[in-house]
Amino acid sequence: GQQLNQSPQSMFIQEGEDVSMNCTSSSIFNTWLWYKQDPGEGPVLLIALYKAGELTSNGRLTAQFGITRKDSFLNISASIPSDVGIYFCAGLSGSARQLTFGSGTQLTVLP
Amino acid sequence: NAGVTQTPKFRILKIGQSMTLQCAQDMNHNYMYWYRQDPGMGLKLIYYSVGAGITDKGEVPNGYNVSRSTTEDFPLRLELAAPSQTSVYFCASSYSTRGGDSPLHFGNGTRLTVT
Repeated sequence: GQQLNQSPQSMFIQEGEDVSMNCTSSSIFNTWLWYKQDPGEGPVLLIALYKAGELTSNGRLTAQFGITRKDSFLNISASIPSDVGIYFCAGLSGSARQLTFGSGTQLTVLP
Repeated sequence: NAGVTQTPKFRILKIGQSMTLQCAQDMNHNYMYWYRQDPGMGLKLIYYSVGAGITDKGEVPNGYNVSRSTTEDFPLRLELAAPSQTSVYFCASSYSTRGGDSPLHFGNGTRLTVT
């Protein structure tokens, strides 16, 4: 099946720093999504991307759909303690009816 | 609206026991899903359903069964629990499979330990 390689696996950053994480695949995706999972809860959608090259922001979060359609990145600016959690990328290809999820990036924000 | 409700939140099973993880949604979504989440492995799709009476296998269906007798409910059954089924299970629903236009709404998970 399709696979998404998400990196880094974990990050420890100081409050106020910017964060960047990315997902890559050998397959082409038509939609890229970024989810956040707070401790003890299910993932929640942050940003959706539909076109190659698309750059979309949601507050301090910015995500881009790679030109090759095989990658995406998520940036978080000026991190705050509530940014702590696991961030997942997910992709939807034309042939698949279901999302493929990355393995997640565990983010810890130190005061 | 309650969204997606999963019960129980925690469960410990002995090897060979059976149990049903319950999932209900009140958003009138046609699509429902069961995922398992293992540390460092992301979310793997177990089974999904596109409507009442219709179910299909996902990426990791072995050892599980599902049914969809109503739009609201999508229970997941483990018949002979094995240690490899120790995981956190998430139920989700969506209006369609479009992705961002119809995001997955997740429950808060069931943490299952098989010993």
